[in-house]
Amino acid sequence: EIVLTQSPATLSLSPGERATLSCRASESVSSHLAWYQQKTGQAPRLLIHGASDRATGIPARFSGSGSGTDFTLTISSLEPEDSAIYYCQQRYNWPLTFGGGTKVEIK
Amino acid sequence: EVQLVESGGVVVQPGGSLRLSCAASGFTFEDYAMHWVRQFPGKGLEWVSLVSWDGYSTYYADSVKGRFSISRDNRKNSLYLQMNNLKTEDTALYYCARDRDNFDYFDQWGQGTLVTVSS
Repeated sequence: EIVLTQSPATLSLSPGERATLSCRASESVSSHLAWYQQKTGQAPRLLIHGASDRATGIPARFSGSGSGTDFTLTISSLEPEDSAIYYCQQRYNWPLTFGGGTKVEIK
Repeated sequence: EVQLVESGGVVVQPGGSLRLSCAASGFTFEDYAMHWVRQFPGKGLEWVSLVSWDGYSTYYADSVKGRFSISRDNRKNSLYLQMNNLKTEDTALYYCARDRDNFDYFDQWGQGTLVTVSS
Protein backbone atom coordinates (compact mmCIF):
# COMPACT_ATOMS: atom_id res chain seq x y z
CA GLU A 1 0.00 0.00 0.00
CA ILE A 2 1.10 3.56 -0.68
CA VAL A 3 2.11 5.39 2.48
CA LEU A 4 1.62 9.15 2.65
CA THR A 5 3.77 11.08 5.10
CA GLN A 6 2.73 14.61 6.01
CA SER A 7 4.90 17.30 7.53
CA PRO A 8 5.11 19.17 9.71
CA ALA A 9 2.82 17.60 12.30
CA THR A 10 1.81 21.03 13.55
CA LEU A 11 2.14 24.48 12.04
CA SER A 12 1.53 27.56 14.16
CA LEU A 13 1.22 30.81 12.23
CA SER A 14 -0.40 34.22 12.47
CA PRO A 15 -3.29 35.51 10.34
CA GLY A 16 -2.08 36.76 6.99
CA GLU A 17 0.96 34.49 6.93
CA ARG A 18 1.60 31.85 4.28
CA ALA A 19 1.21 28.18 5.23
CA THR A 20 3.07 25.44 3.36
CA LEU A 21 2.07 21.84 4.06
CA SER A 22 3.89 18.83 2.63
CA CYS A 23 2.74 15.35 1.64
CA ARG A 24 5.24 12.75 0.48
CA ALA A 25 4.23 9.43 -1.08
CA SER A 26 6.19 6.19 -0.67
CA GLU A 27 5.97 5.71 -4.44
CA SER A 28 4.75 7.78 -7.34
CA VAL A 29 1.04 8.62 -7.39
CA SER A 30 1.37 10.78 -10.54
CA SER A 31 -1.07 13.67 -9.91
CA HIS A 32 -3.69 11.52 -8.21
CA LEU A 33 -3.72 13.29 -4.89
CA ALA A 34 -6.30 15.24 -2.91
CA TRP A 35 -6.26 17.50 0.14
CA TYR A 36 -8.99 17.73 2.79
CA GLN A 37 -9.64 20.15 5.61
CA GLN A 38 -11.18 18.94 8.87
CA LYS A 39 -12.29 21.42 11.49
CA THR A 40 -13.00 20.34 15.06
CA GLY A 41 -16.24 18.38 15.30
CA GLN A 42 -16.79 18.34 11.55
CA ALA A 43 -16.35 15.89 8.72
CA PRO A 44 -13.46 16.37 6.31
CA ARG A 45 -14.05 18.69 3.35
CA LEU A 46 -12.48 18.24 -0.07
CA LEU A 47 -10.22 21.18 -0.92
CA ILE A 48 -8.02 20.04 -3.80
CA HIS A 49 -8.18 17.08 -6.19
CA GLY A 50 -5.90 16.00 -8.99
CA ALA A 51 -3.04 17.61 -7.02
CA SER A 52 -3.94 21.16 -8.07
CA ASP A 53 -7.65 21.52 -8.91
CA ARG A 54 -9.70 23.39 -6.35
CA ALA A 55 -13.00 21.76 -5.43
CA THR A 56 -16.24 23.66 -5.84
CA GLY A 57 -16.54 26.66 -3.54
CA ILE A 58 -12.98 26.53 -2.19
CA PRO A 59 -11.37 29.97 -1.79
CA ALA A 60 -8.51 30.91 -4.10
CA ARG A 61 -6.08 31.25 -1.17
CA PHE A 62 -5.88 27.43 -1.16
CA SER A 63 -3.64 25.95 -3.84
CA GLY A 64 -2.05 22.58 -4.48
CA SER A 65 1.04 21.62 -6.42
CA GLY A 66 3.33 18.68 -7.06
CA SER A 67 3.42 15.36 -8.85
CA GLY A 68 5.06 11.99 -8.44
CA THR A 69 5.96 11.68 -4.77
CA ASP A 70 6.09 15.26 -3.46
CA PHE A 71 3.07 17.49 -3.01
CA THR A 72 2.36 20.82 -1.36
CA LEU A 73 -0.77 22.52 -0.09
CA THR A 74 -0.33 26.28 0.22
CA ILE A 75 -2.62 28.67 2.04
CA SER A 76 -1.48 32.02 0.72
CA SER A 77 -2.80 34.24 3.51
CA LEU A 78 -4.15 32.53 6.61
CA GLU A 79 -7.57 33.40 7.94
CA PRO A 80 -8.69 32.53 11.49
CA GLU A 81 -11.18 30.02 10.08
CA ASP A 82 -8.35 28.04 8.47
CA SER A 83 -7.53 26.49 11.84
CA ALA A 84 -7.96 22.76 11.13
CA ILE A 85 -6.24 19.48 10.41
CA TYR A 86 -5.31 18.95 6.77
CA TYR A 87 -5.05 15.50 5.23
CA CYS A 88 -3.75 14.30 1.88
CA GLN A 89 -5.17 11.23 0.12
CA GLN A 90 -4.08 9.24 -2.93
CA ARG A 91 -6.23 7.41 -5.44
CA TYR A 92 -3.45 6.05 -7.67
CA ASN A 93 -3.53 2.56 -6.19
CA TRP A 94 -5.76 0.40 -4.04
CA PRO A 95 -6.29 0.77 -1.21
CA LEU A 96 -7.04 4.47 -1.15
CA THR A 97 -4.86 5.88 1.62
CA PHE A 98 -4.59 9.03 3.70
CA GLY A 99 -1.68 10.84 5.27
CA GLY A 100 -1.52 11.32 9.03
CA GLY A 101 -2.47 14.99 8.88
CA THR A 102 -0.97 18.41 9.62
CA LYS A 103 -2.58 20.55 12.28
CA VAL A 104 -2.64 24.26 11.44
CA GLU A 105 -2.97 26.54 14.44
CA ILE A 106 -3.66 30.24 14.13
CA LYS A 107 -1.86 32.35 16.72
CA GLU B 1 -28.35 20.60 -0.73
CA VAL B 2 -26.48 17.30 -0.54
CA GLN B 3 -27.09 15.44 2.70
CA LEU B 4 -25.65 12.18 3.95
CA VAL B 5 -26.94 10.97 7.30
CA GLU B 6 -25.37 7.93 8.94
CA SER B 7 -27.00 5.84 11.65
CA GLY B 8 -26.59 2.55 13.46
CA GLY B 9 -23.47 3.17 15.51
CA VAL B 10 -23.57 1.71 19.03
CA VAL B 11 -21.44 0.00 21.64
CA VAL B 12 -20.96 -3.67 20.73
CA GLN B 13 -18.92 -6.51 22.18
CA PRO B 14 -15.97 -8.04 20.35
CA GLY B 15 -17.19 -10.68 17.93
CA GLY B 16 -20.52 -8.93 17.54
CA SER B 17 -22.26 -7.62 14.45
CA LEU B 18 -23.67 -4.29 13.41
CA ARG B 19 -25.29 -2.73 10.37
CA LEU B 20 -24.66 0.91 9.53
CA SER B 21 -26.95 2.89 7.25
CA CYS B 22 -26.51 6.12 5.32
CA ALA B 23 -29.50 8.03 3.97
CA ALA B 24 -28.71 10.24 0.99
CA SER B 25 -30.64 13.24 -0.34
CA GLY B 26 -30.14 16.31 -2.48
CA PHE B 27 -28.56 14.49 -5.43
CA THR B 28 -29.25 11.60 -7.79
CA PHE B 29 -27.96 8.78 -5.60
CA GLU B 30 -27.81 6.16 -8.35
CA ASP B 31 -25.38 8.31 -10.36
CA TYR B 32 -22.58 7.97 -7.81
CA ALA B 33 -20.35 5.34 -6.31
CA MET B 34 -20.28 5.52 -2.53
CA HIS B 35 -17.69 4.88 0.18
CA TRP B 36 -17.36 4.20 3.86
CA VAL B 37 -14.40 5.90 5.54
CA ARG B 38 -13.56 5.62 9.23
CA GLN B 39 -11.71 7.87 11.64
CA PHE B 40 -9.97 6.38 14.62
CA PRO B 41 -9.99 8.03 18.05
CA GLY B 42 -6.45 9.29 17.44
CA LYS B 43 -7.80 11.12 14.34
CA GLY B 44 -6.29 8.94 11.60
CA LEU B 45 -8.49 8.33 8.55
CA GLU B 46 -8.88 4.95 6.84
CA TRP B 47 -10.83 4.15 3.71
CA VAL B 48 -13.00 1.10 4.42
CA SER B 49 -15.07 0.17 1.38
CA LEU B 50 -16.52 1.29 -1.94
CA VAL B 51 -19.58 0.25 -3.93
CA SER B 52 -20.19 1.18 -7.55
CA TRP B 53 -23.28 3.10 -8.62
CA ASP B 54 -25.14 -0.08 -9.50
CA GLY B 55 -23.96 -2.13 -6.53
CA TYR B 56 -22.23 -4.74 -8.66
CA SER B 57 -18.63 -3.77 -7.89
CA THR B 58 -17.31 -3.62 -4.36
CA TYR B 59 -13.88 -3.02 -2.85
CA TYR B 60 -12.58 -3.42 0.69
CA ALA B 61 -9.59 -2.51 2.79
CA ASP B 62 -7.61 -5.58 3.80
CA SER B 63 -8.34 -4.82 7.46
CA VAL B 64 -12.06 -5.49 6.95
CA LYS B 65 -12.11 -7.92 4.02
CA GLY B 66 -14.17 -11.01 4.83
CA ARG B 67 -15.82 -9.33 7.82
CA PHE B 68 -17.56 -6.26 6.36
CA SER B 69 -20.00 -6.09 3.45
CA ILE B 70 -21.08 -2.94 1.63
CA SER B 71 -24.37 -2.65 -0.24
CA ARG B 72 -26.82 -0.09 -1.48
CA ASP B 73 -30.50 0.30 -2.33
CA ASN B 74 -30.95 2.91 -5.04
CA ARG B 75 -34.75 2.81 -4.65
CA LYS B 76 -34.33 3.95 -1.04
CA ASN B 77 -31.32 6.24 -1.64
CA SER B 78 -29.47 4.31 1.01
CA LEU B 79 -26.02 2.87 1.62
CA TYR B 80 -25.23 0.12 4.10
CA LEU B 81 -22.27 -1.47 5.85
CA GLN B 82 -22.75 -4.88 7.45
CA MET B 83 -20.02 -5.39 10.02
CA ASN B 84 -19.41 -8.88 11.42
CA ASN B 85 -16.87 -10.34 13.81
CA LEU B 86 -16.09 -6.90 15.15
CA LYS B 87 -12.73 -6.24 16.82
CA THR B 88 -11.68 -3.59 19.30
CA GLU B 89 -9.58 -2.01 16.55
CA ASP B 90 -12.77 -1.33 14.56
CA THR B 91 -13.69 1.33 17.11
CA ALA B 92 -14.04 4.51 15.07
CA LEU B 93 -16.33 7.17 13.69
CA TYR B 94 -17.74 5.81 10.44
CA TYR B 95 -18.43 8.26 7.62
CA CYS B 96 -20.48 7.73 4.52
CA ALA B 97 -18.88 9.63 1.62
CA ARG B 98 -19.78 10.27 -1.99
CA ASP B 99 -17.32 9.42 -4.73
CA ARG B 100 -16.38 12.44 -6.81
CA ASP B 101 -15.72 10.58 -10.05
CA ASN B 102 -14.48 7.17 -11.10
CA PHE B 103 -13.51 5.88 -7.67
CA ASP B 104 -11.17 8.70 -6.77
CA TYR B 105 -11.92 11.24 -4.05
CA PHE B 106 -14.61 11.96 -1.49
CA ASP B 107 -16.52 15.10 -2.37
CA GLN B 108 -19.38 14.95 0.15
CA TRP B 109 -19.32 13.50 3.67
CA GLY B 110 -21.88 12.75 6.34
CA GLN B 111 -21.33 13.65 9.97
CA GLY B 112 -20.48 10.10 10.96
CA THR B 113 -21.79 7.44 13.31
CA LEU B 114 -19.71 6.16 16.22
CA VAL B 115 -18.97 2.47 16.57
CA THR B 116 -17.39 1.35 19.83
CA VAL B 117 -16.24 -2.25 20.17
CA SER B 118 -15.66 -3.04 23.82
CA SER B 119 -16.37 -5.72 26.36
